[in-house]
Amino acid sequence: DAGVIQSPRHEVTEMGQEVTLRCKPISGHDYLFWYRQTMMRGLELLIYFNNNVPIDDSGMPEDRFSAKMPNASFSTLKIQPSEPRDSAVYFCASSLQINQPQHFGDGTRLSIL
Amino acid sequence: QKEVEQNSGPLSVPEGAIASLNCTYSDRGSQSFFWYRQYSGKSPELIMSIYSNGDKEDGRFTAQLNKASQYVSLLIRDSQPSDSATYLCAVRGTGGGNKLTFGTGTQLKVEL
Repeated sequence: DAGVIQSPRHEVTEMGQEVTLRCKPISGHDYLFWYRQTMMRGLELLIYFNNNVPIDDSGMPEDRFSAKMPNASFSTLKIQPSEPRDSAVYFCASSLQINQPQHFGDGTRLSIL
Repeated sequence: QKEVEQNSGPLSVPEGAIASLNCTYSDRGSQSFFWYRQYSGKSPELIMSIYSNGDKEDGRFTAQLNKASQYVSLLIRDSQPSDSATYLCAVRGTGGGNKLTFGTGTQLKVEL
């Protein structure tokens, strides 16, 4: 079975640029989650979707962050404009139901210069 | 107080020993508990889930849950160098849409 697929694996860009991260969840999973991981704060939930609908975006740090899920097999996390403090590893995860284990993608390592 | 707390480590154990990893949580109504293993530069990988008080065994791994004391632990028997990783405790709370909250992880080093 294909797992959660994220792209790109690495992104290096300059401050002020728009960054778009992409995720394809496991087929059949109704829930999709976006996390950010840093050394200081660990793994933090940014937003999650149920059947393509955003349910909780309270973890999104600022208006510069936005996420969409136009269909069951694709989601994007966008940062505009990007700042150096956004540098982190961004993970996408999916699960069958909210109380089922979450399966993570390989992550996108983002560096904002 | 953090919602999910773990000692950051590193926890060093000799090969073949039992490694004991601990986690405490603040939401008394939490019902679901998970242990993830994360190798350096890799994504978290689920290794255990536990929902009821007591022990749950899977191979060399045993998860222990005590809801009254609000702690969950992971025991790794016959530790191997390949077990060296960071172990993340995750707890599903009762509020905020049943979100999964992760601890910052305990780094385990298994030495030859």
